[in-house]
Amino acid sequence: NAGVTQTPKFQVLKTGQSMTLQCAQDMNHEYMSWYRQDPGMGLRLIHYSVGAGITDQGEVPNGYNVSRSTTEDFPLRLLSAAPSQTSVYFCASSTRDRAEKLFFGSGTQLSVL
Amino acid sequence: LAKTTQPISMDSYEGQEVNITCSHNNIATNDYITWYQQFPSQGPRFIIQGYKTKVTNEVASLFIPADRKSSTLSLPRVSLSDTAVYYCLVGEGGGADGLTFGKGTHLIIQP
Repeated sequence: NAGVTQTPKFQVLKTGQSMTLQCAQDMNHEYMSWYRQDPGMGLRLIHYSVGAGITDQGEVPNGYNVSRSTTEDFPLRLLSAAPSQTSVYFCASSTRDRAEKLFFGSGTQLSVL
Repeated sequence: LAKTTQPISMDSYEGQEVNITCSHNNIATNDYITWYQQFPSQGPRFIIQGYKTKVTNEVASLFIPADRKSSTLSLPRVSLSDTAVYYCLVGEGGGADGLTFGKGTHLIIQP
């Protein structure tokens, strides 16, 4: 059982480049979310989705786009990367009726130069 | 969403019981209290969840007073491998709003 799979594990970008962080889950979870983690800041919510076709903004959405065309996938897009987006990104999923019991992926370490 | 407040860091020694308290003064009626553990270079991992009174599993206990404005995660007889960051999350089942974490408590266990 793969759970929540994030790719890539590591990525280096130059300022202004775009890229997509992939997240897939095989647990048929309705709820999916993206967090970023910076030293001393804990986990901050970027975007989340309560089901296919539905997305909403979290605490720090600026500079990121998401879409949810299927239940399984929830990609995070950086349209024009900035050094301030250097961080570790975590994707998480859960069932809709127990959304607070999250299952996390192993993270993507992103550096923007 | 209920916001949470935890100590930034705590120290203890192997074999001791460790209690980490989380404050959540504006917890809503439908909110559950959930604790996570995170090791370096890994995603957070679910530890325990409760609504009121006491919950115990093979890893920890969770104590919630009647007013539910705080909760205490209790780790019995900690070992060096319990060194991690612990997060308290308060939120409603249903995911109507995004689930926001606090900054967590960095627990350091010494020999």
